[in-house]
Amino acid sequence: QKEVEQNSGPLSVPEGAIASLNCTYSDRGSQSFFWYRQYSGKSPELIMFIYSNGDKEDGRFTAQLNKASQYVSLLIRDSQPSDSATYLCAVNPLDSSYKLIFGSGTRLLVRP
Amino acid sequence: GAVVSQHPSWVICKSGTSVKIECRSLDFQATTMFWYRQFPKQSLMLMATSNEGSKATYEQGVEKDKFLINHASLTLSTLTVTSAHPEDSSFYICSARALASGNTGELFFGEGSRLTVL
Repeated sequence: QKEVEQNSGPLSVPEGAIASLNCTYSDRGSQSFFWYRQYSGKSPELIMFIYSNGDKEDGRFTAQLNKASQYVSLLIRDSQPSDSATYLCAVNPLDSSYKLIFGSGTRLLVRP
Repeated sequence: GAVVSQHPSWVICKSGTSVKIECRSLDFQATTMFWYRQFPKQSLMLMATSNEGSKATYEQGVEKDKFLINHASLTLSTLTVTSAHPEDSSFYICSARALASGNTGELFFGEGSRLTVL
């Protein structure tokens, strides 16, 4: 059973703070990792993807991957109220044809 | 980014009827489309993988005779929920992988279709 685990939250941070979202996965052979943001009643939108161990930065977002620990995280700097949403971690398992397995999501609340 | 369009965005139907949801890639060709289902406060669950010109691959526990998938062209996949029942009420989301995506695996999502079965 391939699994992707996330803390459901809510994670509450004040505006301007750093929000840290974590995700673990069970399939050690997983190749690529994605972070999606989903607003209530809407479909997911891609924030970032990462393949290699280490950090990848894009604007206020930084994805971190540690394949040895089977751990991927997303940092959001200078959090804004508009960042309040559910963040979904998704993993592309080794034996899949590009399908993604999603975690249950972490709800982020950024307090003004 | 690439655009994926779903229609209808919401539908209400009576129990026992069939509902068709369309998923179109508007500005790219999609060899593979994926259909997900999401119940309230839960994650996206993959239902099936739709490949252009071939039969869909269904995930374990998903009834292929109930959820009919057709991917007749590189820009269109359809999901038909046959003999829908209230427990089929959910948010159905399609996603597509562009032909030119290479090995990135990046998926583009449609807006979703909310189905309510009375």
